[in-house]
Amino acid sequence: NAGVMQNPRHLVRRRGQEARLRCSPMKGHSHVYWYRQLPEEGLKFMVYLQKENIIDESGMPKERFSAEFPKEGPSILRIQQVVRGDSAAYFCASSPVGDPDGYTFGSGTRLTVV
Amino acid sequence: AQKVTQAQTEISVVEKEDVTLDCVYETRDTTYYLFWYKQPPSGELVFLIRRNSFDEQNEISGRYSWNFQKSTSSFNFTITASQVVDSAVYFCAVTTDSWGKFQFGAGTQVVVTP
Repeated sequence: NAGVMQNPRHLVRRRGQEARLRCSPMKGHSHVYWYRQLPEEGLKFMVYLQKENIIDESGMPKERFSAEFPKEGPSILRIQQVVRGDSAAYFCASSPVGDPDGYTFGSGTRLTVV
Repeated sequence: AQKVTQAQTEISVVEKEDVTLDCVYETRDTTYYLFWYKQPPSGELVFLIRRNSFDEQNEISGRYSWNFQKSTSSFNFTITASQVVDSAVYFCAVTTDSWGKFQFGAGTQVVVTP
């Protein structure tokens, strides 16, 4: 049973480009969460999604950031017109419904904006 | 809202010394879950332990032990006889019974030298 798969592991973008980060949850998991880890800091919650539904996006920056979790396929975190301050590690986690033991993090995507 | 404080930014020890990492949490919910994660230099998050608010038993797993004190809202982590491979950043986190939105502490960098 594969874990939470994130790709790419490393992503380099020039300022102004778009970044797309993908997260495939564990089999049987219907809840996805995205976190951002800025350099030298802890992880900060960004957004919580279920299939085709955003449940909580209280941690998402107001502009340029969006997330989706379609009926088919991985969850996507999209950052438009990236700036240097977007450089961070982005972690995805997934969980089944109502099972604390099932909460699992992916290995993260390290975004570098040059 | 929840909050996690890891007051120690960095702890340096010599191999075989014990090291204790402090974690103080805040939450208004009566049901919550506490976690510790390890983040080695490679960057991934390694799950160490989950504890729910109704289980105040201390736990030992090999060289790792955890002390959960609900009265002081603390969930401290001790590494006994530290090894160089323990060098990492350690994060404490809390989530409530809504299950999913983690609040992480800022992390404690542990440096173990031979």
